Amino acid sequence: QVHLVQSGAEVKNPESSVKVSCKASGGPFNSFSYTWVRQAPGEGLEWMGDIMPVLGTGHYAQELQGRLTISADESTSTAYMELTSLKKDDTAIYFCATGDFHHWGQGTLVTVSS
Amino acid sequence: QSALTQTASVSGSPGQSITISCTGTWTDVGSYNLVSWFQQHPGRAPKLLIYEVNKRPSGISSRFSGSKSGITASLTISGLQAEDEADYYCCSYAGSTINYAFGTGTTVTVL
Repeated sequence: QVHLVQSGAEVKNPESSVKVSCKASGGPFNSFSYTWVRQAPGEGLEWMGDIMPVLGTGHYAQELQGRLTISADESTSTAYMELTSLKKDDTAIYFCATGDFHHWGQGTLVTVSS
Repeated sequence: QSALTQTASVSGSPGQSITISCTGTWTDVGSYNLVSWFQQHPGRAPKLLIYEVNKRPSGISSRFSGSKSGITASLTISGLQAEDEADYYCCSYAGSTINYAFGTGTTVTVL
């Protein structure tokens, strides 16, 4: 059973960057792609992007192109989501999931506030 | 990216059946049999209920079923239970430019 554990909550200033990790266990890391989804307070789910570790290239939502980088480290079975030039509207819970959406991390709250 | 349209709220009594609809376009729901449904309780991560329109992951009750007709996908919950009270989201693959679109979400209330 695949288990995804994310890094802890972050508080960031506007215009700074945040990097959230998602460590996988219980299954071959390279067997899955990894997706990032976010949810602003009281709002719905928003697909951000994904990566297939064996290929190394990510796909990103058009609105986040240029600010978002998704990466994966096979040696530690960890996927990463880095978002730059943070705005208050980026305040949200960020979830990682396997690409088939069968397995999800617990979520990481990122708060952008001055 | 454009969100798929869901009814904001649906309610039902215990034991009843309810259906949640998810309307997209011919470039997402209408083009691919890659519609998923998720259940989300407050403060929790989403949970996959249905994938590829009508398939259930192991461990998901047969009370949950999915279907699709044209540009509209549907999730039916049979034998409604108190624990089914949650938010529900659909999601569809939308091609290599948009990739995935989520629905606007439906709050299910068990009366």
